[in-house]
Amino acid sequence: AQRVTQPEKLLSVFKGAPVELKCNYSYSGSPELFWYVQYSRQRLQLLLRHISRESIKGFTADLNKGETSFHLKKPFAQEEDSAMYYCASSGGSNYKLTFGKGTLLTVNP
Amino acid sequence: NAGVTQTPKFQVLKTGQSMTLQCAQDMNHEYMSWYRQDPGMGLRLIHYSVGAGITDQGEVPNGYNVSRSTTEDFPLRLLSAAPSQTSVYFCASSPSGGAFGELFFGEGSRLTVL
Repeated sequence: AQRVTQPEKLLSVFKGAPVELKCNYSYSGSPELFWYVQYSRQRLQLLLRHISRESIKGFTADLNKGETSFHLKKPFAQEEDSAMYYCASSGGSNYKLTFGKGTLLTVNP
Repeated sequence: NAGVTQTPKFQVLKTGQSMTLQCAQDMNHEYMSWYRQDPGMGLRLIHYSVGAGITDQGEVPNGYNVSRSTTEDFPLRLLSAAPSQTSVYFCASSPSGGAFGELFFGEGSRLTVL
């Protein structure tokens, strides 16, 4: 079965520091990969997807097929980045999106 | 547009009771799905539907039923609630399959089973 691993439950950084949220997937093919974010008291929402190759709110994520990773990065964290982040993978399925367990990011002033 | 609307937002049940979590979307999305969110477990797919009249199981379907009689609505039924079903439930829709399209989530329904 498809697995998405986010090894850090909690991640705490200071404002202005770089941040990297790790994500590894188990699918051997070419999955569709996403990062979703849930800010406090807001709905879960899409942050970015690897096929778009875009930067959203300063975040980028690079697919590394050799390491089966899709880490989320931002060079300078802001307090408003504090949220729960979920990595998700299609695992080759058109209809089933598998989520990781999530990483709670706290950006301290 | 309201997007994805879930009701109720909170519910307390006793073991063995039944209930239905409602989900409606006004975006004419073909794909709809139900997830449950548990601490330390992330989001797990319960059931999904790719269009009216078509449903399929996700990762954790046991204890839940769904139906899709219209494009707009995708209710989740608990036939005999158990404490293990205490969770936050999210409904999500997508203009295409969840894997290739953006999932639009509801606000969640927090269910407690005593």
